[in-house]
Amino acid sequence: GAGVSQTPSNKVTEKGKYVELRCDPISGHTALYWYRQSLGQGPEFLIYFQGTGAADDSGLPNDRFFAVRPEGSVSTLKIQRTERGDSAVYLCASSLTPGLARGEQFFGPGTRLTVL
Amino acid sequence: QQPVQSPQAVILREGEDAVINCSSSKALYSVHWYRQKHGEAPVFLMILLKGGEQKGHEKISASFNEKKQQSSLYLTASQLSYSGTYFCGTEEEGSTLGRLYFGRGTQLTVWP
Repeated sequence: GAGVSQTPSNKVTEKGKYVELRCDPISGHTALYWYRQSLGQGPEFLIYFQGTGAADDSGLPNDRFFAVRPEGSVSTLKIQRTERGDSAVYLCASSLTPGLARGEQFFGPGTRLTVL
Repeated sequence: QQPVQSPQAVILREGEDAVINCSSSKALYSVHWYRQKHGEAPVFLMILLKGGEQKGHEKISASFNEKKQQSSLYLTASQLSYSGTYFCGTEEEGSTLGRLYFGRGTQLTVWP
């Protein structure tokens, strides 16, 4: 079956621009997570969706970052007024509902964002 | 709270064993282990749940000491394909279910 997909795979943008990163989770997975991974580091939690709602957005670094999941499937991470420090690989993961089926998170291939 | 992993790096010959450790200062619901190869997504290896349940990989085993909030991943008879960076992710009691805090990783290199 299809895994988690993310588009684009690479995004190069200029400082100050707006970007959108898309995640398409595994069908039937109600939980969706966004992480950011810098070189030599582990994934850093950004936001977690359970269905359409953000169950935990405490990892978003500031109000330039926003994410939506309007129909409980595809999610979009939006970054306004990008800064060079936003450069990283943005990973998306999905899983079955935590607590009911404490299962693994399946990661997508990531979007490498470079802010010039 | 980011867990601490040790060692930072391991170099092995094919067939040798390795242990990777993960330690948290918080009480944990579960510990998740992932392996990531360069330029690829992390791949699930194992979950260890409070209470002793485990789910995961056939050739990899792990332990979870709930009282000490520590977990260890045991790689036996390592193969070339085991090379990569290993991350533990911890799910903390009192935190949102499903939210994982990842360590900085342990880089494992297996030579023929």
